[in-house]
Amino acid sequence: EIVLTQSPGTLSLSPGERATLSCRASQSVSSGYLAWYQQKPGQAPRLLIYGASSRATGIPDRFSGSGSGTDFTLTISRLEPEDFAVYYCQQYGSSPPITFGQGTRLEIK
Amino acid sequence: QVQLVESGGGLVKPGGSLRLSCAASGFTFSDYYMSWIRQAPGKGLEWVSYISSSTSTNYADSVKGRFTISRDNAKNSLYLQMNSLRAEDTAVYYCARYRYSSGRLDYWGQGTLVTVSS
Repeated sequence: EIVLTQSPGTLSLSPGERATLSCRASQSVSSGYLAWYQQKPGQAPRLLIYGASSRATGIPDRFSGSGSGTDFTLTISRLEPEDFAVYYCQQYGSSPPITFGQGTRLEIK
Repeated sequence: QVQLVESGGGLVKPGGSLRLSCAASGFTFSDYYMSWIRQAPGKGLEWVSYISSSTSTNYADSVKGRFTISRDNAKNSLYLQMNSLRAEDTAVYYCARYRYSSGRLDYWGQGTLVTVSS
C-alpha cells in the first residue's frame, strides 16, 4: 500500500501570500495518478489538480501542481480569502487503488 | 452540469444494515466508473469502493465482505448496501465519478451521514 504523508499539518498564512503544500509518497507514484482536492467546512471535496500538474475544469490559475516520483507539491501563488480550507492529495495505485493523504489545513494568519 | 445526489443515510444500530443511493445526472452515467468515499467526523478521506461501467467492483479491506456496491444504468443510480455495520463505519459517505484512466475523482455529491450507534 502506498502511504501519502502531507506536510505541514497546518499552514498559517495571510491573503496575498504564497502557499506551498507537500505530499510525499512511501513508494513512487506515477505522475499521471496524483491528484489534489480542496475541502471547505461542510462541503464535499473539489478536484483541483490531476496528473500531478493539470488543473481541473474551472480551477483558477493561481493553483498549480508539480512533482514526480515520491514528492509532489501544490502551490497557491497568491492566496484569496476563499482558499483557506483543507487540502488532500490522492494517488491511484494497485491495492488499495485509491489512497489519500491525511490533509493540510490552510488557515488565515 | 454534472450532479450527484446521495440519500439513504441515517442512524442504525451496530450489526444493522443500510442502503445508500446516489442519483446521477448531467452525463452519460453508463460510460463512467463510480466510487464511494467516506469521511469520519473530523477525519480525513477514506476510499470505500468503486464499480466499473461493466460492473466489476473493488473494495477497501475495511468493508470487504460487508458492503456491496452496485449500479442501475437505466435509473442513473449508484448504490451501496452496507451490512454488519460497526461504530467505525460512522461517516459522511460521498459518491463520486471516478476517471479510472487517471485515477481522479472529478465530481462529488454533497454526502449523506451514516451514524452507527446503539
